Amino acid sequence: GAVVSQHPSRVICKSGTSVKIECRSLDFQATTMFWYRQFPKQSLMLMATSNEGSKATYEQGVEKDKFLINHASLTLSTLTVTSAHPEDSSFYICSAKMGRSNTGELFFGEGSRLTVL
Amino acid sequence: AQSVTQLGSHVSVSEGALVLLRCNYSSSVPPYLFWYVQYPNQGLQLLLKYTSAATLVKGINGFEAEFKKSETSFHLTKPSAHMSDAAEYFCAVSDTAGGKLIFGQGTELSVKP
Repeated sequence: GAVVSQHPSRVICKSGTSVKIECRSLDFQATTMFWYRQFPKQSLMLMATSNEGSKATYEQGVEKDKFLINHASLTLSTLTVTSAHPEDSSFYICSAKMGRSNTGELFFGEGSRLTVL
Repeated sequence: AQSVTQLGSHVSVSEGALVLLRCNYSSSVPPYLFWYVQYPNQGLQLLLKYTSAATLVKGINGFEAEFKKSETSFHLTKPSAHMSDAAEYFCAVSDTAGGKLIFGQGTELSVKP
């Protein structure tokens, strides 16, 4: 089956630093990728929709200057948490849509756990 | 707007017993419905999906779900629980098969020996 890889799987950083998380579709092209965050024992909340070659679409309440999303190629989207603070600590999960049509299947990465000290 | 409600944040069953995880949805357009499973510190794995074909959908690991439009429900069942089924289960809705997903709150399934 299709594979989506996230890196790093775990990252610990100091408050005020920036952290980049990568989401790669390893064996298919993904014109659209989605970024979610998940707090402990809670559901996944959609943060933004990332389209290759264009600006990401952010969900209401998500700071686009705080969470920078870049989708520069058909196999890679990155999420950068800028000036991270402890409240940004969370589990971040990406999903990638195979193909260009609205019927393309979604595949999820393994998630990246961010801890901000 | 779309939304999903999962009834019961935690369900506990005995090994070999029936598993029933409840999901109700709200959608202004014909919905696409999904069930995912998540093991600790891992991503999501698709169990099954409803995409307007057969209302009874069979998935992996013996799970199945039935789409009932009149009840706006998409409950997940498995006839006989295994210890390995213990995990977090999420129901999700979308307006397309590959669009953004709106997730329910999740149900943690525990399986007792």
